[in-house]
Amino acid sequence: TQLLEQSPQFLSIQEGENLTVYCNSSSVFSSLQWYRQEPGEGPVLLVTVVTGGEVKKLKRLTFQFGDARKDSSLHITAAQPGDTGLYLCAGTFNTGKLIFGQGTTLQVKP
Amino acid sequence: KAGVTQTPRYLIKTRGQQVTLSCSPISGHRSVSWYQQTPGQGLQFLFEYFSETQRNKGNFPGRFSGRQFSNSRSEMNVSTLELGDSALYLCASRQPGQGDTGELFFGEGSRLTVL
Repeated sequence: TQLLEQSPQFLSIQEGENLTVYCNSSSVFSSLQWYRQEPGEGPVLLVTVVTGGEVKKLKRLTFQFGDARKDSSLHITAAQPGDTGLYLCAGTFNTGKLIFGQGTTLQVKP
Repeated sequence: KAGVTQTPRYLIKTRGQQVTLSCSPISGHRSVSWYQQTPGQGLQFLFEYFSETQRNKGNFPGRFSGRQFSNSRSEMNVSTLELGDSALYLCASRQPGQGDTGELFFGEGSRLTVL
């Protein structure tokens, strides 16, 4: 069974702090995506990483794909209240299925 | 361009009943996937349809079924509802030619409560 483990599950921080969310698997991903979901809405894609060691930046968000393509991280610099939400990693394995992690609930307090 | 539309948004059923949820993908998208989201289990993959054929299936019992029509609209059905089926059911569509790395566009979900 292919599983994705995300950590931490919950994170509550003050505005301006930095944070990192991790996504790990024992299996190799074909690709990995990060989504953000706000209450009452469906998840929205933030980024897709495909190549081992790849780093992508989206404003204050930095996404890294592990060299072995078994892990990924999302780093947010100077978090703002608007970053509050559920962050989900989703990996595609060689079966073609897209499997989601359990998510990290982030609360940024002003 | 209209987004993914799911109906109904909210519904309440009792144990033993059945339910049908509907999903209209973004125009031109032929791949439709269904996920169940619960606080304890996160997003669990139910199934994916492409051009009216089931392409992939998750580890759910046979009470969960789906289908896709020629216009790419999809429905999922849950029979003999159990309390544990209470969840947010999300539908997502994908652009053709994007393969498995393509972006999933999600609807707002159908929140099912089973009493």
